[in-house]
Amino acid sequence: LAKTTQPISMDSYEGQEVNITCSHNNIATNDYITWYQQFPSQGPRFIIQGYKTKVTNEVASLFIPADRKSSTLSLPRVSLSDTAVYYCLVGAPWGGYNKLIFGAGTRLAVHP
Amino acid sequence: ETGVTQTPRHLVMGMTNKKSLKCEQHLGHNAMYWYKQSAKKPLELMFVYSLEERVENNSVPSRFSPECPNSSHLFLHLHTLQPEDSALYLCASSPRVANIQYFGAGTRLSVL
Repeated sequence: LAKTTQPISMDSYEGQEVNITCSHNNIATNDYITWYQQFPSQGPRFIIQGYKTKVTNEVASLFIPADRKSSTLSLPRVSLSDTAVYYCLVGAPWGGYNKLIFGAGTRLAVHP
Repeated sequence: ETGVTQTPRHLVMGMTNKKSLKCEQHLGHNAMYWYKQSAKKPLELMFVYSLEERVENNSVPSRFSPECPNSSHLFLHLHTLQPEDSALYLCASSPRVANIQYFGAGTRLSVL
């Protein structure tokens, strides 16, 4: 079971780039890395998913080194509305509900 | 709007009451989930349904009873709950089990 480790909290200021790193030393060959964002009293929202190297969408970028033992979610120029909890999940997209484990996540606070 | 609708958004019930939470997804997905999120705790997977059949029950107490009449609807029937069951209950769906999940806004449950 690929366990993930993330920082408990991070602070940033508006306009800065934020990088949140997730460690997953036991990632399996078929596992993908998925990041979710959760605001208070709401359900998590999918942000980005990747398998290797770099993935970019309109919201974030995901950097995955060659050994895939970690990944970094990059949020460009954050705003106050990016204050949320960010979760990193590791698992195969076509099965394995036993890997649907949301850890404590990283609580990001963006300040004016 | 994620395409997953949960009702009610808020619920207060006594320990002897019976109530039901409802979840409906308009995404054509085949898998649906119930999660529990207690204050300042990670999401806990409670039940997983794939094509209307339950594939996972994470040792949830019998006072929680799920029902999935079709691939678009999911219910969580509650009876004789305890105060420690007060939490945010989240429903999610995905194309298949363990694919990217789309969450509803949740039902905030308070048990008195």
